[in-house]
Amino acid sequence: QVQLQESGPGLVKPLETLSLTCTVSGDSVSSGSCYWSWVRQSPGKGLEWIGYIYYIRSTNYNPSLESRVTISVDTSKNQFSLRLDSVTAADTAVYYCATSHPGTGGGFDLWGQGTLVTVSS
Amino acid sequence: DIQMTQSPSTLSASVGDRVTITCRASQSIGTWLAWYQQKPGKAPKLLIYQASSLQSGVPSRFSGSGSGTDFTLTISGLQPDDFATYYCQQYNTYSWAFGQGTKVEI
Repeated sequence: QVQLQESGPGLVKPLETLSLTCTVSGDSVSSGSCYWSWVRQSPGKGLEWIGYIYYIRSTNYNPSLESRVTISVDTSKNQFSLRLDSVTAADTAVYYCATSHPGTGGGFDLWGQGTLVTVSS
Repeated sequence: DIQMTQSPSTLSASVGDRVTITCRASQSIGTWLAWYQQKPGKAPKLLIYQASSLQSGVPSRFSGSGSGTDFTLTISGLQPDDFATYYCQQYNTYSWAFGQGTKVEI
């Protein structure tokens, strides 16, 4: 059974870098046909797509976050990661990792449980 | 960027009702659209992909339709477990986006 699990600090100071990791079990991040993605949800708000990585190196990001976001893959650990620079309180959110398997196009058929990241001094 | 607009934002309904949620794209996205259900404190769950394809394990009372810019999620015979927030998502272009959500409440 494929599972995704987010991990990383729950508290980040303003202007610092948010770093999260998603560990994949039951599948391989080297699978070029999947979109390994990050989605966030601010408290009480809707879902916001952050970006995805596919074929290990190809990425696409939300234009509103593109200047601050990096998504990468570590095939040796079967993980993919999110880096968000220069965070502010507006980046406080539950961060989900998710993936789209072949057949669903870009529909996210598998999600992690989510991890709350608070930006505060 | 393609913007996704859902309506209504909130919908009041009763068990057994037929419920329709609309999602409109700011430009044509073909059928590159998914629908999700989210309950408080939980990750979203994929219901529909490719505008009308039912995800495995999802009850058949959920259905999706539409193409181009206008899409609909229909729940035929609302069940107590269906009270939740629903989101559409487009994946037509390199920049994906969600709608703002529709809360279905009692």
